[in-house]
Amino acid sequence: GAVVSQHPSRVICKSGTSVKIECRSLDFQATTMFWYRQFPKQSLMLMATSNEGSKATYEQGVEKDKFLINHASLTLSTLTVTSAHPEDSSFYICSSLGTDTQYFGPGTRLTVL
Amino acid sequence: AQSVSQHNHHVILSEAASLELGCNYSYGGTVNLFWYVQYPGQHLQLLLKYFSGDPLVKGIKGFEAEFIKSKFSFNLRKPSVQWSDTAEYFCAVMPANAGGTSYGKLTFGQGTILTVHP
Repeated sequence: GAVVSQHPSRVICKSGTSVKIECRSLDFQATTMFWYRQFPKQSLMLMATSNEGSKATYEQGVEKDKFLINHASLTLSTLTVTSAHPEDSSFYICSSLGTDTQYFGPGTRLTVL
Repeated sequence: AQSVSQHNHHVILSEAASLELGCNYSYGGTVNLFWYVQYPGQHLQLLLKYFSGDPLVKGIKGFEAEFIKSKFSFNLRKPSVQWSDTAEYFCAVMPANAGGTSYGKLTFGQGTILTVHP
């Protein structure tokens, strides 16, 4: 399967700071990438669809001003959690859309103190 | 909107036992179906997928799944599990031929944790 990387794998930050997570599609160009959030012992919750060269599409209930998504190139999408609070602590996962199949990154564990 | 239901939250088996994990979905149109696996500490990996054709699909590591359209089901099976199959398994659906903001979107089931004892 395709290879998707995320950086960092873990991050700990103070409340009120912003954190940027990178998602890279390493072996194919991805016009569309997705960002998910996974709570402990729960399934993946889609946060937004990231489209190269255009604005992201957010799912209902996801604050677009809090979770900024930028997809400036066909291999890189970034998620910035702005003014992070402890309730934003979670596991964030990205995926790249190939031909009708999503390939997932390893995830980023965010802990907000 | 589509939804996916996985019947078992946690399945515990001994090695060599047979496995069947249930997955049902609801959607008014044609779907592409997927099973993903997440081994402890690792990322989601594609186990198998069904788009069209033979409803019995074979995936990696001896897994297979059968699409039964009349039952809206896509159950995952393996005749003989191994300790290394211990993982969490997710069923997911994607609307086929969808355009616009629905293109490529996956809806996941709740996940089933499989524990295999040696």
